Amino acid sequence: ETGVTQTPRHLVMGMTNKKSLKCEQHLGHNAMYWYKQSAKKPLELMFVYSLEERVENNSVPSRFSPECPNSSHLFLHLHTLQPEDSALYLCASSQDPPLAGGPRYNEQFFGPGTRLTVL
Amino acid sequence: GENVEQHPSTLSVQEGDSAVIKCTYSDSASNYFPWYKQELGKRPQLIIDIRSNVGEKKDQRIAVTLNKTAKHFSLHITETQPEDSAVYFCAAISDMEYGNKLVFGAGTILRVKS
Repeated sequence: ETGVTQTPRHLVMGMTNKKSLKCEQHLGHNAMYWYKQSAKKPLELMFVYSLEERVENNSVPSRFSPECPNSSHLFLHLHTLQPEDSALYLCASSQDPPLAGGPRYNEQFFGPGTRLTVL
Repeated sequence: GENVEQHPSTLSVQEGDSAVIKCTYSDSASNYFPWYKQELGKRPQLIIDIRSNVGEKKDQRIAVTLNKTAKHFSLHITETQPEDSAVYFCAAISDMEYGNKLVFGAGTILRVKS
């Protein structure tokens, strides 16, 4: 596998279930991100991990719990979700800071997303 | 924090015509502005970006312009083709010490009619 992969690609869960989304990057990057993409809304940044430390938690409800065990893996643990949490959840990675001699900011590479439906 | 607005929300053009998508941002400290293209059912992918030390950047049929004084930047696609049909997102960096906190616009659905 190359690039950024996400599993599962589709997930249907009830409001009382507990599930986890997984993201893996094969690019040697050291920063990873979770985004939420809902219909007719901008991509919403949820969490940022840099060097395996969470550096941003964008006022996300506690029913979403991220975990970054190493620089290649990122999880999003879900519990007691609401129907309005149904969306496409995208993972991304980047090299931060960029390599010496490179630009200040580097491209974020996105995974294919997990389509989540909460019943 | 940063706020990015994007217009129009949908845009239909005839094949061969040009398309222009405009974005404004609020944080004058933002200095990196990427554009992402998302085809139906696929992941967003970077197509072009611009940094605040330049006013225009071009890559074949696509170009981006930046006006830092007015805090707006635009994507220009010339000689549009059906494969340009997609959702386009602009974004701006709200600077962070670690990690790139991209703030995205709401997206523009571009339809190129053949």
